[in-house]
Amino acid sequence: EDQVTQSPEALRLQEGESSSLNCSYTVSGLRGLFWYRQDPGKGPEFLFTLYSAGEEKEKERLKATLTKKESFLHITAPKPEDSATYLCAGGNTDKLIFGTGTRLQVFP
Amino acid sequence: DGGITQSPKYLFRKEGQNVTLSCEQNLNHDAMYWYRQDPGQGLRLIYYSQIVNDFQKGDIAEGYSVSREKKESFPLTVTSAQKNPTAFYLCATPRNPGSGANVLTFGAGSRLTVL
Repeated sequence: EDQVTQSPEALRLQEGESSSLNCSYTVSGLRGLFWYRQDPGKGPEFLFTLYSAGEEKEKERLKATLTKKESFLHITAPKPEDSATYLCAGGNTDKLIFGTGTRLQVFP
Repeated sequence: DGGITQSPKYLFRKEGQNVTLSCEQNLNHDAMYWYRQDPGQGLRLIYYSQIVNDFQKGDIAEGYSVSREKKESFPLTVTSAQKNPTAFYLCATPRNPGSGANVLTFGAGSRLTVL
C-alpha cells in the first residue's frame, strides 16, 4: 500500500534555530518526491522535486534531500515567515500521495 | 491563485443536499484535479481530468461527481451520498504544461461544512 509518513507532526522553533523535517515513503511507481508549503486556509504551494537518491535542492533557508526511503527538509536559521505546514508527497503517473504534514511555528 | 480560482470560499450544506464547487483556470492547461483535505490526513485525490469530456476516478470518488465540458472549468458536485462531506476541497492544475500530475498549482480551496 502506498504510504507517506511525516514527522514530527508539529515543531516549534526559536528564530535562528535550525532543524529538520522527516518524510518516509513507500509509493508504487514512484516518479519523484515532492515538497509543498501550505499556509493556513490556503492551497499548497510547490517547493521542490527530488528524483533520485542523493539529490539535493535548495531555496533560501530550505534544503531538501532524498535517500531511497526518506526525504528531509532542512531549515537553516528559520524566520517567523517560514511558519507554515510543510507537506511531503510521493508522485506517480496519475497522482500525488501526501503525508499529513509537519506544522512549523517559528517564534521571534 | 496562480491562474486557478475556486468558489465559494466557504459553503454550508444541510444533510441530504447536493452542492457544487466551482474550479476555473485561465492557464489553458488540459489536466485538472480535485483533492480533499481533512485534519490529520493527507490530501486525497477525488477525481481528475486529462482532457475535455474525459475524467477518471481517484482514490475517494464515491459520493462525488464531476464534469469537464470546457477546458477551463472542472466543477465538483458533492452529493447526498457522500457520508462525511465536511472537508477542505482543493482544485489543482499542472504548474507548467509538461509538469504532469505531480508539480501542481492549487487553488485557494473551498471549505464545506455540513450542518
